[in-house]
Amino acid sequence: NAGVTQTPKFRVLKTGQSMTLLCAQDMNHEYMYWYRQDPGMGLRLIHYSVGEGTTAKGEVPDGYNVSRLKKQNFLLGLESAAPSQTSVYFCASSYSPGQGVYTGELFFGEGSRLTVL
Amino acid sequence: QKEVEQDPGPLSVPEGAIVSLNCTYSNSAFQYFMWYRQYSRKGPELLMYTYSSGNKEDGRFTAQVDKSSKYISLFIRDSQPSDSATYLCAMRGTGRRALTFGSGTRLQVQP
Repeated sequence: NAGVTQTPKFRVLKTGQSMTLLCAQDMNHEYMYWYRQDPGMGLRLIHYSVGEGTTAKGEVPDGYNVSRLKKQNFLLGLESAAPSQTSVYFCASSYSPGQGVYTGELFFGEGSRLTVL
Repeated sequence: QKEVEQDPGPLSVPEGAIVSLNCTYSNSAFQYFMWYRQYSRKGPELLMYTYSSGNKEDGRFTAQVDKSSKYISLFIRDSQPSDSATYLCAMRGTGRRALTFGSGTRLQVQP
């Protein structure tokens, strides 16, 4: 039982390059999230999804796109990377209110460290 | 102004000390309050969860919520070196799907 798995764990990009971060969960969670973590800023929500085929913007969505084609996967894309997107990216998932005991607890992956030069 | 404020520390205490970690918030709609622990280079994991006001105890950990003051606390008794981590408070309102996090307090417990 892997929980939430993020790939890749590390990546270095040059300004203007594109890339996709993949998140996979095996807990049958309806909700999935992408956060970024920067020193002194805590975790900030980029995008989230409340079910397969649906996505919504979070607090800091600019420069990112997401897709949720399958329930277990949530992809985060950077079309044209900028140095300001250097960060640690965390994917998380949670149950929905319709899936039983719901507390809103998030289950996190181990993070993907991205450096944009 | 951030919705959730948390002192970043670092907080350094000797082994066995009582640790107090705190967050203040501005959104009166927040009803669900959590504390996450994050070890270096790992993802956060849930430590404590409380709904609305009151106290909750789990072993050496106690979470307190004072909604009238918009203030939450986490107390760690008999702190251990293994408690050294960053502690993040998180909260959400009814109907909100995502958590709002504090910036985290880094704790070091010295042997």
